[in-house]
Amino acid sequence: GAVVSQHPSRVICKSGTSVKIECRSLDFQATTMFWYRQFPKQSLMLMATSNEGSKATYEQGVEKDKFLINHASLTLSTLTVTSAHPEDSSFYICSARERSSGVGEQFFGPGTRLTVL
Amino acid sequence: RKEVEQDPGPFNVPEGATVAFNCTYSNSASQSFFWYRQDCRKEPKLLMSVYSSGNEDGRFTAQLNRASQYISLLIRDSKLSDSATYLCVVIHSGGYNKLIFGAGTRLAVHP
Repeated sequence: GAVVSQHPSRVICKSGTSVKIECRSLDFQATTMFWYRQFPKQSLMLMATSNEGSKATYEQGVEKDKFLINHASLTLSTLTVTSAHPEDSSFYICSARERSSGVGEQFFGPGTRLTVL
Repeated sequence: RKEVEQDPGPFNVPEGATVAFNCTYSNSASQSFFWYRQDCRKEPKLLMSVYSSGNEDGRFTAQLNRASQYISLLIRDSKLSDSATYLCVVIHSGGYNKLIFGAGTRLAVHP
């Protein structure tokens, strides 16, 4: 299957700092990438849908000024958590859909575990 | 009410057992249905799609009941390697085909 990478895999930061997470599709072009957040023992919650060359579409309740998404190329999307606070500590996962894949098949990155002190 | 509901488990079963999970969804406009598998602290991976006619992939059988709005997954002859969290996923019609995830059902297969 297609490969999606995320960097970093784990980050610990102080409250008030900003953290950037990169999501790359390694062997395919992804016109659409998705950003999810997962708290312990809860489901993955879609935060935003990122389209190459256009503004991201945010889900209800997700602050677009706090979670900045940039999808500058067909293989790279970034999520920046600005002024992070302890309640932002979570598992952030990106996914990408390959143009030729089925509607339900998204390839997920390995996730980034963010801990805000 | 959550859009996709699952029994969180855990289901503790011995190797070789048959185990079934159910999932219910609230939006009757849901178009497509899937089971994903997620290992501890890892990303989800697509296990199989779910069709109204039912579909089978080796030891795994998935069923969809649109009238009752529930989806099932049956695992036969459980292996230790089946231990994971199984996520029920639905897609509504329209824009970007967003995946809506259930919270997952945890399965632990023991020797």
